Amino acid sequence: DQQVKQNSPSLSVQEGRISILNCDYTNSMFDYFLWYKKYPAEGPTFLISISSIKDKNEDGRFTVFLNKSAKHLSLHIVPSQPGDSAVYFCAASAPGTYKYIFGTGTRLKVLA
Amino acid sequence: GAVVSQHPSRVICKSGTSVKIECRSLDFQATTMFWYRQFPKQSLMLMATSNEGSKATYEQGVEKDKFLINHASLTLSTLTVTSAHPEDSSFYICSANLGARTDTQYFGPGTRLTVL
Repeated sequence: DQQVKQNSPSLSVQEGRISILNCDYTNSMFDYFLWYKKYPAEGPTFLISISSIKDKNEDGRFTVFLNKSAKHLSLHIVPSQPGDSAVYFCAASAPGTYKYIFGTGTRLKVLA
Repeated sequence: GAVVSQHPSRVICKSGTSVKIECRSLDFQATTMFWYRQFPKQSLMLMATSNEGSKATYEQGVEKDKFLINHASLTLSTLTVTSAHPEDSSFYICSANLGARTDTQYFGPGTRLTVL
């Protein structure tokens, strides 16, 4: 049972435009969410996080939105740059555990 | 940010041999480290949580006798794939966090294991 889902395996966006990556979850106990970026043959690197007490968190070009009622979060990248091309994973964690459950990832390609 | 290293980055071994992968936190102490496995084009699957000074906690479906984890110090955790088979070929990644649950997990660069 995939508790964290990223239904779009890939996304292509023109440089300078907005990239929107989506993530859905099923476990209402999740209260902390993160986005990671991953290049091939490398470990993931942390991008941005959000706690369930917020509905938005912003860091430079990256903004994460959380809709708890819909159990949905999204990552907005604006403006998108070619260097943003990578696989993006969302991850979720529940209280009382250090474990993160990862989504299946979305491959973003930013076209120059 | 904090740095986590893994060694080796790539290993090729014969079926039936054992392989040890090291995960080190270079500039911080990690009481908890995590081991993940990633299949091609798939998500990171948590295998086990490695606790310093105690036994690792394995996820359901992960054979603890197959994947031996040792967390001997606050900066080192090792994963040993015993009697490796071709189906164990995968990308293994470790991570560590700084302490609190909501602290960021820092990931190592991963180890590509190929079993012939």
